[in-house]
Amino acid sequence: KAGVTQTPRYLIKTRGQQVTLSCSPISGHRSVSWYQQTPGQGLQFLFEYFSETQRNKGNFPGRFSGRQFSNSRSEMNVSTLELGDSALYLCASSLGALAKNIQYFGAGTRLSVL
Amino acid sequence: KNEVEQSPQNLTAQEGEFITINCSYSVGISALHWLQQHPGGGIVSLFMLSSGKKKHGRLIATINIQEKHSSLHITASHPRDSAVYICAVTVMKTSYDKVIFGPGTSLSVIP
Repeated sequence: KAGVTQTPRYLIKTRGQQVTLSCSPISGHRSVSWYQQTPGQGLQFLFEYFSETQRNKGNFPGRFSGRQFSNSRSEMNVSTLELGDSALYLCASSLGALAKNIQYFGAGTRLSVL
Repeated sequence: KNEVEQSPQNLTAQEGEFITINCSYSVGISALHWLQQHPGGGIVSLFMLSSGKKKHGRLIATINIQEKHSSLHITASHPRDSAVYICAVTVMKTSYDKVIFGPGTSLSVIP
């Protein structure tokens, strides 16, 4: 069974631009969660999508948004990029709800904002 | 004070040593996760615990819900165990769930 796939692996953008990251979960998994990892803040929870609905959300500004498609694939969008958005963005999928299921992580997308 | 804390922050061990990494938390949780992150970023989920103890190969994880504390033990450590170990808790609320991560413990095992 294929693992969680994130594309692209690396991305360079400039301030003010927007970016879309993609995550394909493990087949059969209905929950996709997104995380941001920076040296200063560590790992932080962005949001979770389950059956095309955003179920949970962390403490990030509205510039960070996402969606999930009927095949469970998910995209995350960041608008009006800031230098501080430079980070490793990880997605994880699980069979069921975030709170009670093991998460399987993708390799991440490393975003650099110049 | 952070809701999830880990100790030690950094750990260097000789190959073969028994290693313990600790995690304490201050919130009510539905589950606690131990994660392993190698250089390059990939994260592997090692354990998910809501009570008691779990064992997988040389790894053992325990949790004490009353004391809000968990430990990850590595027996007969090996250089390939060198990684960052992250404790994370999932919190279930009425209207939302969330994940809170600890700061991580960087482990280096020397041959």
